[in-house]
Amino acid sequence: AQTVTQSQPEMSVQEAETVTLSCTYDTSENNYYLFWYKQPPSRQMILVIRQEAYKQQNATENRFSVNFQKAAKSFSLKISDSQLGDTAMYFCAFMDSGAGSYQLTFGKGTKLSVIP
Amino acid sequence: GAGVSQSPSNKVTEKGKDVELRCDPISGHTALYWYRQRLGQGLEFLIYFQGNSAPDKSGLPSDRFSAERTGESVSTLTIQRTQQEDSAVYLCASSQITPRGDTQYFGPGTRLTVL
Repeated sequence: AQTVTQSQPEMSVQEAETVTLSCTYDTSENNYYLFWYKQPPSRQMILVIRQEAYKQQNATENRFSVNFQKAAKSFSLKISDSQLGDTAMYFCAFMDSGAGSYQLTFGKGTKLSVIP
Repeated sequence: GAGVSQSPSNKVTEKGKDVELRCDPISGHTALYWYRQRLGQGLEFLIYFQGNSAPDKSGLPSDRFSAERTGESVSTLTIQRTQQEDSAVYLCASSQITPRGDTQYFGPGTRLTVL
């Protein structure tokens, strides 16, 4: 079974600064997908970024980028120029591309607070 | 609206009662998932539907939990004889025909409180 670990329960960052959220995972699979989801107080889970394991290039979406280290099974999220609207819970998630149901396995989340 | 919708938004019930939670997926999405999120925790997979295939029920925590989906439309999650440990947010997600690696789009969830 896959596991996802987020070792930082809470983090804070000053507005306009950069912050990195950590995520490690454990799997014996070679083909899989990784995701970062954001959950603001509204409860709505919003996709931030996704990465295919077969791609060496790190995914980037505007101010959000990842550092994907496949050998180390690490998938960190970097948020640049942090904004107040980035305040939320952030969840790292794993999807085994060979599994029948393609369910997501989530970490426990990191609560990010952006300070004005 | 174009997103996943869920109802009710909040549900308070008494221990031992049955509850039904509803999910309306994005039109055209054949894959539908239910997850449970306990307070301060990540999401736990409950059940998956894909078209007319048999659902993957491997995440259901007990036989008090069941779910149905008619075709590619609405799904209902039923919890019978609710217990206090069932209190959580229940989230529904849907994705496109080929769910391999495809993004799952989530609804706003139903917060269930069992007194």
